[in-house]
Amino acid sequence: DAGVIQSPRHEVTEMGQEVTLRCKPISGHNSLFWYRQTMMRGLELLIYFNNNVPIDDSGMPEDRFSAKMPNASFSTLKIQPSEPRDSAVYFCASSYSGRETQYFGPGTRLLVL
Amino acid sequence: GENVEQHPSTLSVQEGDSAVIKCTYSDSASNYFPWYKQELGKGPQLIIDIRSNVGEKKDQRIAVTLNKTAKHFSLHITETQPEDSAVYFCAAAGGYQKVTFGTGTKLQVIP
Repeated sequence: DAGVIQSPRHEVTEMGQEVTLRCKPISGHNSLFWYRQTMMRGLELLIYFNNNVPIDDSGMPEDRFSAKMPNASFSTLKIQPSEPRDSAVYFCASSYSGRETQYFGPGTRLLVL
Repeated sequence: GENVEQHPSTLSVQEGDSAVIKCTYSDSASNYFPWYKQELGKGPQLIIDIRSNVGEKKDQRIAVTLNKTAKHFSLHITETQPEDSAVYFCAAAGGYQKVTFGTGTKLQVIP
């Protein structure tokens, strides 16, 4: 298996633009997680899906952030409009269940100017 | 919900010495405790885990211990090598809760 795949790996955009991050989980995994990592706040869970259904989105910072999982093999995290404080590394992870080992993707480094 | 505290936040050791990272958790229902290693520019990767039915687990130079009564668990790395330098995260999960991560420990192994 190729592991969790994220795209793009790097994104530079200007404030106010829409940003879409993509994730393909490991085949057979039924849980998917989006995290944000910064030096100041560490690793933060943004949202968690189980069987394509959002279970916990309490970590989503505000309405500018939205996430979808239309099927078991694809998820998106969208920021609209983006702001400089959204600059971070965004990780996607998947697991067989929300309580088991999570496998992380390589991350998307986002820079909002 | 679950709360996981991790100490220290940074740790420097001489090559060949041991390193110990400690975590505490709050939810007595937690029964799964993984440890992740994050190298620069990469996502966290699982290095070892332990379940609540055992008190200790070893894998070569890495060992984890769990004290359910005190609700704390530790990562022990022996004979540290420069390639052990990374950020280490502990985590806890159980019951119907998602995995909750600690705040991370930056380990530096000095050659």
